Amino acid sequence: DIVMTQSPDSLAVSLGERATINCKSSQSVLSSSNNKNFLAWYQQKPGQPPKLLIYWASSRESGVPDRFSGSGSETDFTLTISSLQAEDVAVYYCQQYYSTPRTFGQGTKVEIK
Amino acid sequence: QVQLVQSGPEVKKPGASVKVSCKASGYTFTSYNINWVRQAPGQGLEWMGWISAYNGNTNYAQRLQDRVTMTTDTSTTTAYMELRSLRSDDTAVYYCARDLYDYNNCPLSFWGQGTLVTVSS
Repeated sequence: DIVMTQSPDSLAVSLGERATINCKSSQSVLSSSNNKNFLAWYQQKPGQPPKLLIYWASSRESGVPDRFSGSGSETDFTLTISSLQAEDVAVYYCQQYYSTPRTFGQGTKVEIK
Repeated sequence: QVQLVQSGPEVKKPGASVKVSCKASGYTFTSYNINWVRQAPGQGLEWMGWISAYNGNTNYAQRLQDRVTMTTDTSTTTAYMELRSLRSDDTAVYYCARDLYDYNNCPLSFWGQGTLVTVSS
């Protein structure tokens, strides 16, 4: 199984400041057939299902604000919130869909400082 | 619009089985895989497996393989997840989620509201 490890487990950021979450996979999730990274980011607010933010490591899902961006390749990935808003308080998960089981990271809780 | 509506909360005793339903609408049901993901209280997300709504092919997480069965009913555009021999650590919110695209190896774009399954004696 591919193990996904996020860091940090939690972070507190001031409103308007940048938040950065890292995700590392135990093996590459870059496909040689299409040169895409099979890596997604989800946002989960309390009492709600997860919401897809980013897929193919850097493609923003429709309707997602452009303050959310994803980067990285092979085994190292980053989710950046460029200017944290109050509504961004949530837990963020990375997930690889390169192979089954489609494993998730343990989650990173983002709060307001 | 795409919607996945799940069945209501369940309380089961250890050793029993539970079957959760996921009614899909707003898209061609047979074109997309349905995944099941669970989340224990205060914990992270665990992928359980997927089922092709086109041909019923399944892919289960190995640790659940001997206890889980995923099925679909194309006549009612409903997916089902049955978990047997329930234990207390199966207590979780169970989500169904649809693949983003109509092929394998996709992120999960649409989610049901979740079904709380509580296992307690």
